[in-house]
Amino acid sequence: AQRVTQPEKLLSVFKGAPVELKCNYSYSGSPELFWYVQYSRQRLQLLLRHISRESIKGFTADLNKGETSFHLKKPFAQEEDSAMYYCALYRSYNTDKLIFGTGTRLQVFP
Amino acid sequence: EADIYQTPRYLVIGTGKKITLECSQTMGHDKMYWYQQDPGMELHLIHYSYGVNSTEKGDLSSESTVSRIRTEHFPLTLESARPSHTSQYLCASSQSTDNYGYTFGSGTRLTVV
Repeated sequence: AQRVTQPEKLLSVFKGAPVELKCNYSYSGSPELFWYVQYSRQRLQLLLRHISRESIKGFTADLNKGETSFHLKKPFAQEEDSAMYYCALYRSYNTDKLIFGTGTRLQVFP
Repeated sequence: EADIYQTPRYLVIGTGKKITLECSQTMGHDKMYWYQQDPGMELHLIHYSYGVNSTEKGDLSSESTVSRIRTEHFPLTLESARPSHTSQYLCASSQSTDNYGYTFGSGTRLTVV
């Protein structure tokens, strides 16, 4: 079965520290993975997608098929990065849809 | 401004009432979705639509129903609300020709008392 696992409910770091939000997936096909972010009192929005290989707001994520992971990383956390982060897997057969993890709340302290 | 809109943002209603949660998008997206999310839990797909007159149930069983009479409109209806329906409902849309990025609405937080 397709599944997305985010093992940490809460991750707390100080400003300037490196951040890694973990995401593991299970999927039999070729995965399409995304990170979504929800800032306080704002809607869920796309942060980045692995096929674009882009860096958004200093965040990057590399797909590791061997470890079935798509961890989100940032070398120096900022207070404005505090938010809820969701990893999502796109399933393209049967019902094409996004499968979400349970989310990780990132708290960046000054 | 092209966007996706959900109303109401918050709704408290008594058991047994019929309710409709509204979702409209002005981006011309063909696909629309309803997700249900309980606090601290993952989002679960409950309904989706690939276009006008197309509606399907998602992975999570839901007593709600949806309709897609117009491309831009995808309302969700509960004929008889129950406390177990208390949750947050998120509407999203996407374009088939896009790289699967979803645009989400602000959500409706429903409380059934």
